[in-house]
Amino acid sequence: ETGVTQTPRHLVMGMTNKKSLKCEQHLGHNAMYWYKQSAKKPLELMFVYSLEERVENNSVPSRFSPECPNSSHLFLHLHTLQPEDSALYLCASSQMTAGGTEAFFGQGTRLTVV
Amino acid sequence: DQQVKQNSPSLSVQEGRISILNCDYTNSMFDYFLWYKKYPAEGPTFLISISSIKDKNEDGRFTVFLNKSAKHLSLHIVPSQPGDSAVYFCAASLDSGGSNYKLTFGKGTLLTVNP
Repeated sequence: ETGVTQTPRHLVMGMTNKKSLKCEQHLGHNAMYWYKQSAKKPLELMFVYSLEERVENNSVPSRFSPECPNSSHLFLHLHTLQPEDSALYLCASSQMTAGGTEAFFGQGTRLTVV
Repeated sequence: DQQVKQNSPSLSVQEGRISILNCDYTNSMFDYFLWYKKYPAEGPTFLISISSIKDKNEDGRFTVFLNKSAKHLSLHIVPSQPGDSAVYFCAASLDSGGSNYKLTFGKGTLLTVNP
């Protein structure tokens, strides 16, 4: 398997549930990201991990908790979410380097909070 | 405040003609620009990029033009094909601590290529 893989593809959860999104990259990259895409909004960067250390947290509510156990895996733990958290959650990876590089995205998890 | 703007939410062109997708940015520190393409139910896929030291980059049917003084870039697709129908996102990044890793995206433009 190659590229960036996200599971599950679709998730429906209640506001009191706890669930986790999983991302795996097979590209040998040293950075991984979580993005959120809501309807009619730009992709919003949530978290950045470089070499398994979190380097950016864009004021994301604590009900979203990322975890990066190694350079190939990234999780997003969800608990007590709100209906407005329903969105497409995208994982990406890249090689952090000077001069610019592209990020490669997974297919996303479509999350619906009921 | 949106730093990367795609002011046209949608664009419709005929197959075989040129598609021109536009993007404006406000942060003059951005030094690397990218275009992504997204089909429904899939993640964005990288198309083409350009560094701020260049004003043009070409890859097959896709050409990106950068006008730094106007803080404007555009993606040209020629000839357009029905399979190009997708949402196109413009993104920009700047050097932060020696690497460009944080992408700022526009809202996207839905391109429809009619047969």
